[in-house]
Amino acid sequence: KQEVTQIPAALSVPEGENLVLNCSFTDSAIYNLQWFRQDPGKGLTSLLLIQSSQREQTSGRLNASLDKSSGRSTLYIAASQPGDSATYLCAVPSGDDKIIFGKGTRLHILP
Amino acid sequence: GAGVSQTPSNKVTEKGKYVELRCDPISGHTALYWYRQSLGQGPEFLIYFQGTGAADDSGLPNDRFFAVRPEGSVSTLKIQRTERGDSAVYLCASSLYPLNTEAFFGQGTRLTVV
Repeated sequence: KQEVTQIPAALSVPEGENLVLNCSFTDSAIYNLQWFRQDPGKGLTSLLLIQSSQREQTSGRLNASLDKSSGRSTLYIAASQPGDSATYLCAVPSGDDKIIFGKGTRLHILP
Repeated sequence: GAGVSQTPSNKVTEKGKYVELRCDPISGHTALYWYRQSLGQGPEFLIYFQGTGAADDSGLPNDRFFAVRPEGSVSTLKIQRTERGDSAVYLCASSLYPLNTEAFFGQGTRLTVV
């Protein structure tokens, strides 16, 4: 059974700092891994999708890496801004269908 | 449409009532997922459709919950005899194909049972 863990559960950093969010999963036989952002009271916005054959994906100030063999992914945010404050969720497929989520990391960027 | 659309955005209902939550996926997406999210938790899988059929309904908590997708597009999540514990945000997502393509989520329906 696939389980996803995200560390830390919450993080507060001053504006401008670079930061890393961590995600680990128990079953390394995955097709891909997806990072989402969720603002309070809102749905999920897809940030990055890494296919199993890829090591990393980049979008603007965001960089996500994937190490399937160790069951880990990191989301790197460069030069953080107050607008980056949100909950970040990672998700992986499980079995033949469902996508399993971690509980997320609540990020607060201090102005 | 441009994205996944869920209606209503908010629903308040009395305990014991019946509710329907609607999801309009991105046009052409064959896979559709329903999730439930409680405060401070990640989304919890409920049911997955591939086309018109429910390929996996193992996440539905009990037989009060039911979902349909009769024409392979719009889906409706139905909850009978609602209980206060059903209060949560219900999220819908769609993807072009299951698993190996990007999943896109709607804004969710916040259900409050009073």
